Amino acid sequence: GAGVSQSPSNKVTEKGKDVELRCDPISGHTALYWYRQSLGQGLEFLIYFQGNSAPDKSGLPSDRFSAERTGGSVSTLTIQRTQQEDSAVYLCASSLEGAIDGQYFGPGTRLLVL
Amino acid sequence: QKEVEQNSGPLSVPEGAIASLNCTYSDRGSQSFFWYRQYSGKSPELIMSIYSNGDKEDGRFTAQLNKASQYVSLLIRDSQPSDSATYLCAPRKSKLIFGAGTRLAVHP
Repeated sequence: GAGVSQSPSNKVTEKGKDVELRCDPISGHTALYWYRQSLGQGLEFLIYFQGNSAPDKSGLPSDRFSAERTGGSVSTLTIQRTQQEDSAVYLCASSLEGAIDGQYFGPGTRLLVL
Repeated sequence: QKEVEQNSGPLSVPEGAIASLNCTYSDRGSQSFFWYRQYSGKSPELIMSIYSNGDKEDGRFTAQLNKASQYVSLLIRDSQPSDSATYLCAPRKSKLIFGAGTRLAVHP
C-alpha cells in the first residue's frame, strides 16, 4: 500500500514568512510523529499524535512551531515567522498504536529559510 | 543522561568484514528495540526489530539484545559498500526517541 507522503518536497522561504508542511500517514496508522533533522545531525523529536489523545508537544523548540492533525489522519506542521535556523529536513512518520512494529517515515520536506 | 547512546563513528570496515554497531540505553523498562538505516539524503527505514533477550537473525543482519547490560547491537556480516549508511537504534515506545546514529563506511 501507499507509504507516508509529505508535501512539499522542497520549500524555500524568506525569513519572517510562515510555512506549512503537510504529512499524509499510512492508512490505519493511529500515531503520527514529526521530527527535524539538520544537516549532519540526528533526528530531533518535535511532536507526537496518538489517536484522539492530546498531542505530546514536548519537542517543539519554540511557540513559533505548531501542528495539528485533522480527522486523525493528515497533519500540518506550521512554522511562523521563520528563522534561518529553522532550515532543516522535516520528517514525518506514522505507526500503529504504541509503535509495535516500528515507524515508517515519509520522504521529508527540505526547508530553506533565506 | 541520554536515553539512547551510540558512537557517532564513522565506523570503517573493509568489504566482506563483519560490522558491529552498538547502542546503550538508560531505561531498564525498555523491552524491545528497532534498528533503522538512513542513507545520506534519505529518510530512515526500519531494518530490524528485536523484542526479547538474545539474538535475532535476518539474512546478513543479526540484532542482539542484552537487557542485563542494557545494550543492543547490530551485526552486519559480509559487509557491502551498499551498507554504508547511518544506523539508528530506538527503544520501542509510544514516543520513539532515536540515538544520534553510527555512520558506517564499507570500503572496497
